[in-house]
Amino acid sequence: LAKTTQPISMDSYEGQEVNITCSHNNIATNDYITWYQQFPSQGPRFIIQGYKTKVTNEVASLFIPADRKSSTLSLPRVSLSDTAVYYCLLGGNTDKLIFGTGTRLQVFP
Amino acid sequence: NAGVTQTPKFRVLKTGQSMTLLCAQDMNHEYMYWYRQDPGMGLRLIHYSVGEGTTAKGEVPDGYNVSRLKKQNFLLGLESAAPSQTSVYFCASSSRGGYTFGSGTRLTVV
Repeated sequence: LAKTTQPISMDSYEGQEVNITCSHNNIATNDYITWYQQFPSQGPRFIIQGYKTKVTNEVASLFIPADRKSSTLSLPRVSLSDTAVYYCLLGGNTDKLIFGTGTRLQVFP
Repeated sequence: NAGVTQTPKFRVLKTGQSMTLLCAQDMNHEYMYWYRQDPGMGLRLIHYSVGEGTTAKGEVPDGYNVSRLKKQNFLLGLESAAPSQTSVYFCASSSRGGYTFGSGTRLTVV
């Protein structure tokens, strides 16, 4: 399965926009890109999924360039409650997900 | 709608003891998974199942066994627990609509 690379950690302040980029140079043609959020002592929670171009939902946007070798999760106007670990994953919804170490986002007041 | 339920939530075992973790889902999902998560790490896949009666090995299967006798249940067994198996265990199920994770079982082996 293709490997993903993300920054280990990021810091932000409340109200700012946060962009987390994930590299996946060997993404397969049929792979979707999915982002999960995990709070301490909880299971990961689905945030957003896309295949190409841009996807937006009520909590985030996902930008995927034409070559699909990277993707960027954008969180608008973060709050303290967005402090969590964010994982970028490749595959379909019925593929086994292989997690990396994720990006630890810390939001400060 | 409960989603994915894991039992128990916490457990302390002595080295060499055995136990079974239960995962139950009520979404009629075909696919189910067991992961473990160690401090500061991402989740690692232990075993998974693509349907009732099937199981397959993941990244870190040694020391664990699984069974999927009913579509809604996926059991994870530790035959002889070791301190290296101290971890948080997450179960998940999936369909074309996406993955749903349980809230985890915190296991300590002393």
